[in-house]
Parts: sequence; C-alpha cells; structure tokens
Amino acid sequence: SQQGEEDPQALSIQEGENATMNCSYKTSINNLQWYRQNSGRGLVHLILIRSNEREKHSGRLRVTLDTSKKSSSLLITASRAADTASYFCATDAWDTGNQFYFGTGTSLTVIP
Amino acid sequence: GAGVSQTPSNKVTEKGKYVELRCDPISGHTALYWYRQSLGQGPEFLIYFQGTGAADDSGLPNDRFFAVRPEGSVSTLKIQRTERGDSAVYLCASNVLGGSGELFFGEGSRLTVL
Repeated sequence: SQQGEEDPQALSIQEGENATMNCSYKTSINNLQWYRQNSGRGLVHLILIRSNEREKHSGRLRVTLDTSKKSSSLLITASRAADTASYFCATDAWDTGNQFYFGTGTSLTVIP
Repeated sequence: GAGVSQTPSNKVTEKGKYVELRCDPISGHTALYWYRQSLGQGPEFLIYFQGTGAADDSGLPNDRFFAVRPEGSVSTLKIQRTERGDSAVYLCASNVLGGSGELFFGEGSRLTVL
C-alpha cells in the first residue's frame, strides 16, 4: 500500500518560476525523502529530512516537514526545463520495519 | 558496479509463462528492495532483503511471486504463471545498511504480459 499522497497530481509552470508540491502521509514517520523520476527512468534521491527537522535546503530545493499535520512540501526555485519529471515522497517508520512507502507522485512540466 | 543494474530492461511474455528479473545492486550494499510501478503510480513495495534473507516480503501480491538473493548480492524476482495484471515496471533499489537512508534505484525492468 502507498503511504503518501502528493498534491497536485500535475503541475505546469514557466521556466524561472517556483514549483511547490506537497506530500501528506498517514502514520508517524522516522524520515521523509523526496525522489525524482524522469520518464522511463529509475528514481533519483533528492533530499532526506528527519522527523525532528523542520526545514532543509539543497541547492534550489527546499523541503519542509510538519509532523503535526503529517505533511511535507518540496519547493524548487527558479525552475528549469530540465526539472521536468515526476516527484515522489517516500516515508519510513519504526513500526513498519525498513519499508519505504512512496506516494502517488506529482508530474511537473516546466515550459521553456 | 557503479550503479544498480537491472536486466532485462524490457520483457514481453505471454500469459501463463514464467519470468525472471535480475538485479545487481551496488557493491557493498547489504539491503536490496524490489518495487513494482504501474503507469502513473508511485512505486509499490514488494520485498526487502538484508543480506541473503528476505527481511520483509509482505508486499508480494501472491504466491506466484518469489525472490531470492542467495549470495547476498544479485537478486532475482521470479513470477510464475504470469497474468496481464502483472504488467508493470519492476524497480530494484539498494542501500548500504537498510533502514533510513538514500535508496539507489536501477532503471527498471518493464514487463509486458500479453
């Protein structure tokens, strides 16, 4: 079963704009990760945020985590056409062993 | 190897046939995961190995699915009596110790059951 749900399902923006996508999950987590998947390819890890962290940055990426609302957001600033991909959140939790549960994904299109 | 390698990249088979999908993880990664991804969906957990043993196989949909990792490195996902509903991309991932941490994914094996 899938733990998370991303929102929106699809997002289309102009190059240079910021893209924000959200992830909601159901149970308490240990960590939350964001992955990117280009069409027809495997997933690539972007960033990990621990349950005791509230915000994390990596280059043009900013991730926030609100454990009280069981939600996370991924912000991509100054988007580029090359950012076009699907983005997934993945969670792991102490009580589910080492399973990583992935959300349903947000499909991002950046128009040049 | 440099990354997670999966073979074949594409497999077309007929309903009822037996299929094997292979995953060669990153050298030294003790944890190995199999996921299944249908079109427009996120990866769905199937099974997780820590070393040679299946630490968690709760995601395998039924007893037609089986996976092995006899030497703690390469893993094979085996599907018996394939059905059209098994058509999906099967993704393999590995990481250093299991538990929390970055997963390294292969490019996937696309299975089509006619």
